[in-house]
Amino acid sequence: TQLLEQSPQFLSIQEGENLTVYCNSSSVFSSLQWYRQEPGEGPVLLVTVVTGGEVKKLKRLTFQFGDARKDSSLHITAAQPGDTGLYLCAGVAGNMLTFGGGTRLMVKP
Amino acid sequence: DTAVSQTPKYLVTQMGNDKSIKCEQNLGHDTMYWYKQDSKKFLKIMFSYNNKELIINETVPNRFSPKSPDKAHLNLHINSLELGDSAVYFCASSQVGGGALETQYFGPGTRLLVL
Repeated sequence: TQLLEQSPQFLSIQEGENLTVYCNSSSVFSSLQWYRQEPGEGPVLLVTVVTGGEVKKLKRLTFQFGDARKDSSLHITAAQPGDTGLYLCAGVAGNMLTFGGGTRLMVKP
Repeated sequence: DTAVSQTPKYLVTQMGNDKSIKCEQNLGHDTMYWYKQDSKKFLKIMFSYNNKELIINETVPNRFSPKSPDKAHLNLHINSLELGDSAVYFCASSQVGGGALETQYFGPGTRLLVL
């Protein structure tokens, strides 16, 4: 059973546009992580959010953890072709990561 | 210099065969994992080992048997391969194996195709 739902599943935008990816769950997690995976590679951690309501910024990427620690969002400002990839959210509970289904982002020049 | 390495990168085999995938980490981590990523990119935990001991087994068929000769290695042996085993298998490692802030480091994946 998939406990984390990501939306949208696919997103194709033009360079310079803004976008938001959502990660929702009915479960509470001790923290939530966002990963980026490029073709032929393994996922790489972008950020971990721990506190309900927490906002973290990584250059043009803004990550937010919901107040109830059940959901999160990733906002990218002025997307660039280099942002193209698969974005995965993962809920942390104990020593387990539960991944969402991923959002495939394509940024066209 | 590769932190988490896997071999082979590609594996094409016939149904019914037995195959192994190897994983090594040079990060000095205590915990290692195997994940399966299906064709829809859904990534799911299979096993977790901490200091050579199994701590997570997520309802994986008995045909899959992980083996950890030491804490830097976690190999995956698959018996009687089936078509549905075709997927990308990722090995990962983390420092301790728990905690809200812990980072898992993933290998490059092994693409298994069962014909």
